[in-house]
Amino acid sequence: AQKVTQAQTEISVVEKEDVTLDCVYETRDTTYYLFWYKQPPSGELVFLIRRNSFDEQNEISGRYSWNFQKSTSSFNFTITASQVVDSAVYFCALSEGNQGGKLIFGQGTELSVKP
Amino acid sequence: EPEVTQTPSHQVTQMGQEVILRCVPISNHLYFYWYRQILGQKVEFLVSFYNNEISEKSEIFDDQFSVERPDGSNFTLKIRSTKLEDSAMYFCASRLGDRTDTQYFGPGTRLTVL
Repeated sequence: AQKVTQAQTEISVVEKEDVTLDCVYETRDTTYYLFWYKQPPSGELVFLIRRNSFDEQNEISGRYSWNFQKSTSSFNFTITASQVVDSAVYFCALSEGNQGGKLIFGQGTELSVKP
Repeated sequence: EPEVTQTPSHQVTQMGQEVILRCVPISNHLYFYWYRQILGQKVEFLVSFYNNEISEKSEIFDDQFSVERPDGSNFTLKIRSTKLEDSAMYFCASRLGDRTDTQYFGPGTRLTVL
């Protein structure tokens, strides 16, 4: 069965620190998709990134970077030089290739960036 | 930029009442979803909808729930007889087509059952 684990419930950092949010997933499929969403205090879910299981290239977008490692079933998210506006709950999610596209979410990691 | 919209933003109802949550997906999207998030918990899949029928539903989506696409733009979630434990944030999402596409979420409807 598919599962997403975000072991870090809460992380607190000081502005400008780097922070890594961990995500470990389980799936029996060879084709699957991984996502990160941000949920700011206002409550909406904001899409950050999608990765398919065949593309293990790491990705960088500004201060955000993602490290996908199939060997350890991990898809970790790093924020470099964190800012107060990064404070939010971050969710990792999995979608299996042979299903109708439903997302299985992890429990989320609440990131608090203090000035 | 096109976005998913949801109304109302907050709904308060009495236990046992029926509620209808409304969503307008992105106009050319073909796949529609409902998720819920109980306060402080993770986001949980409820149901997916494609080609005017349910394609998948979770264990949460029991006979008290139903979905409908009454016209070309709206996508609704009905809860027939609300329970206290239905209190949650309900998110609608839509996806263009292929499974590789991203699901885009609406801002959510906070349902409070008293």
